Amino acid sequence: EPEVTQTPSHQVTQMGQEVILRCVPISNHLYFYWYRQILGQKVEFLVSFYNNEISEKSEIFDDQFSVERPDGSNFTLKIRSTKLEDSAMYFCASSYLQGSNQPQHFGDGTRLSIL
Amino acid sequence: GESVGLHLPTLSVQEGDNSIINCAYSNSASDYFIWYKQESGKGPQFIIDIRSNMDKRQGQRVTVLLNKTVKHLSLQIAATQPGDSAVYFCSFGGYQKVTFGTGTKLQVIP
Repeated sequence: EPEVTQTPSHQVTQMGQEVILRCVPISNHLYFYWYRQILGQKVEFLVSFYNNEISEKSEIFDDQFSVERPDGSNFTLKIRSTKLEDSAMYFCASSYLQGSNQPQHFGDGTRLSIL
Repeated sequence: GESVGLHLPTLSVQEGDNSIINCAYSNSASDYFIWYKQESGKGPQFIIDIRSNMDKRQGQRVTVLLNKTVKHLSLQIAATQPGDSAVYFCSFGGYQKVTFGTGTKLQVIP
C-alpha cells in the first residue's frame, strides 16, 4: 500500500537555526498538509497546500514557517529560526481529493528537538 | 465552530473481547468523520470513515456508528488483539484540515 514517507525521523537543531523537514506524499495525491504534535498533546493542523500555494494555515503557522513543493515528489516544511517551543513531532499528510470525502494519509513523522 | 472529539482517556479490554470507543462532537454541521489510530512513535493511521448521510459503516473487524441526533460517534473493534493497542482519535474532516481530539488510549490485556 502506498504511504507517505518523511525524513529525517529525528532532527536535532540548535535554537535559532533553520531546519527543513522533508516529505514524499503518496504519488497521485494532490493535496498536502503539515501537522504537529507536541509531546502529550493533540495533533494540530499547521497548513494545507494545493496547486503550489497555501490553501489554509493555522495561527501556529507564522512567518517563521514556510512550505514548498520543489519538485514533483517532495513537500517540505521550513522553520526559519527555530525556537525551543518548536520541539514536537511534525507529520506530513496527503490526500487525493480535498474536503469532506477523502481521508488524509499521514507519514510517521519527524521528531524535531530544539536545543 | 469546530468540532472536537471528546473521549474517555483510557480503555482497557481483554484480548479477544470487543472494544467500543466513543466520541461526542459539538458541531451539528460536521459531515465527515474519520477514525485514526496512532501507535507509539508513529503517525495517525486511517482506520475508517463515515459520511453524515450514513449511520453505520463496516470494515475489516471495525464498525463505525454515527448518531447525529445525539452527536455521537463510536468505533467498535471485534475480537481485540494486542496489535490494536494504540490511541484512537475520532476526527472531523473539515474542508481543509482534520481536527483531532485528545483520543482514547486502548490497552489490550493479554
